[in-house]
Amino acid sequence: GIQVEQSPPDLILQEGANSTLRCNFSDSVNNLQWFHQNPWGQLINLFYIPSGTKQNGRLSATTVATERYSLLYISSSQTTDSGVYFCAGTSFNTDKLIFGTGTRLQVFP
Amino acid sequence: DADVTQTPRNRITKTGKRIMLECSQTKGHDRMYWYRQDPGLGLRLIYYSFDVKDINKGEISDGYSVSRQAQAKFSLSLESAIPNQTALYFCATSVQGVHEQYFGPGTRLTVT
Repeated sequence: GIQVEQSPPDLILQEGANSTLRCNFSDSVNNLQWFHQNPWGQLINLFYIPSGTKQNGRLSATTVATERYSLLYISSSQTTDSGVYFCAGTSFNTDKLIFGTGTRLQVFP
Repeated sequence: DADVTQTPRNRITKTGKRIMLECSQTKGHDRMYWYRQDPGLGLRLIYYSFDVKDINKGEISDGYSVSRQAQAKFSLSLESAIPNQTALYFCATSVQGVHEQYFGPGTRLTVT
């Protein structure tokens, strides 16, 4: 089955709006990470969050490992937040990083 | 200065040519990885190395080879490039016991 699943697949926001991105992961995956892939293709580490909550500026993330999900919150969105957000988890069996298919975010002025 | 660097950043090559993509890191990490990303998709693992003498195939290794020249350097080769290897290639690093991976800026490869 699907090991890392993200929703929604696409999100369109006006500047200043808040949003929540979700990542569900299977029992075979843990140690969640969140990445932002900017329009130039670069992958930027946002959070390494196996459990709990972390905040960095307008972004925060929460992982509830016992319920197998993680949430990424973006507040007061800006056009520079546009891009694709990926979550990824480490496979217990292989120690490899398994990526979700991403959420494409477009923020308009 | 970037901790994980990739060269070249962009490359256009012809079918049948041999090409090498290089990755260097100054993070002191022992583990290194190569991924490819096709348009609209997530990343898939090509090869990974847990130390200089340990090389392992990922999920899509056919048509690729790698070399770990030193702890800080990990190269990916396409022996005979084909058009469906056109993709964005990423190198990543991590340290044993800590599962967070750090990615290079990517190499955009086009095979015509």
